[in-house]
Amino acid sequence: EVQLVQSGAEVKKPGESLKISCKGSGYSFTSYWIGWVRQMPGKGLEWMGIIYPGDSDTRYSPSFQGQVTISADKSISTAYLQWSSLKASDTAMYYCVRSYGSWFDPWGQGTLVTVSS
Amino acid sequence: EIVMTQSPATLSVSPGERATLSCRASQSVSSNLAWYQQKPGQAPRLLIYGASTRATGIPARFSGSGSGTEFTLTISSLQSEDFAVYYCQQYNNWPSTTFGGGTKVEIK
Repeated sequence: EVQLVQSGAEVKKPGESLKISCKGSGYSFTSYWIGWVRQMPGKGLEWMGIIYPGDSDTRYSPSFQGQVTISADKSISTAYLQWSSLKASDTAMYYCVRSYGSWFDPWGQGTLVTVSS
Repeated sequence: EIVMTQSPATLSVSPGERATLSCRASQSVSSNLAWYQQKPGQAPRLLIYGASTRATGIPARFSGSGSGTEFTLTISSLQSEDFAVYYCQQYNNWPSTTFGGGTKVEIK
């Protein structure tokens, strides 16, 4: 079974750094792009960026370029999303997704990030 | 950026009835469109890709149609488990992609 399992919920203060993870299993991790999608409370879905673990080629949505960093460690089939300085507006659910033929399937279970002083 | 507009924002439907959801693109996306279903507290799930191909395990009551700028998701006979939020996504200029704002299908 193809699965993406994400790290657990995080509660952080503004200005802190954070790195969340997404571990793929059941398929060749290096052969498919892995993306990240943000969902702010009560809102819709926003594509943030995507990485090809095979060669670490990474693309960002213009809205998120410079705001986050996407990386991957193919040796442990894990992709990451990180922030160097969190803001309250980063409070959201974050999903990792496998890009299968350009659409997204499957989705991870989501990681809730709460940023509050 | 291609803007995706979904309508209506909320659709009230009785169980057993047909639901028709619309998705419009600001420019042509050919058939490069997917539909997702999201239930409360859950991650989205792929329903349709290529505008009209059902994903593995998706019941036949879900169907997608359209091309270019106008797309439709039809649920032929709503079951209780179908009440959820539905999103369309264009991937015509992959890896750049955009989602619609969603349509909530609620019980009438």
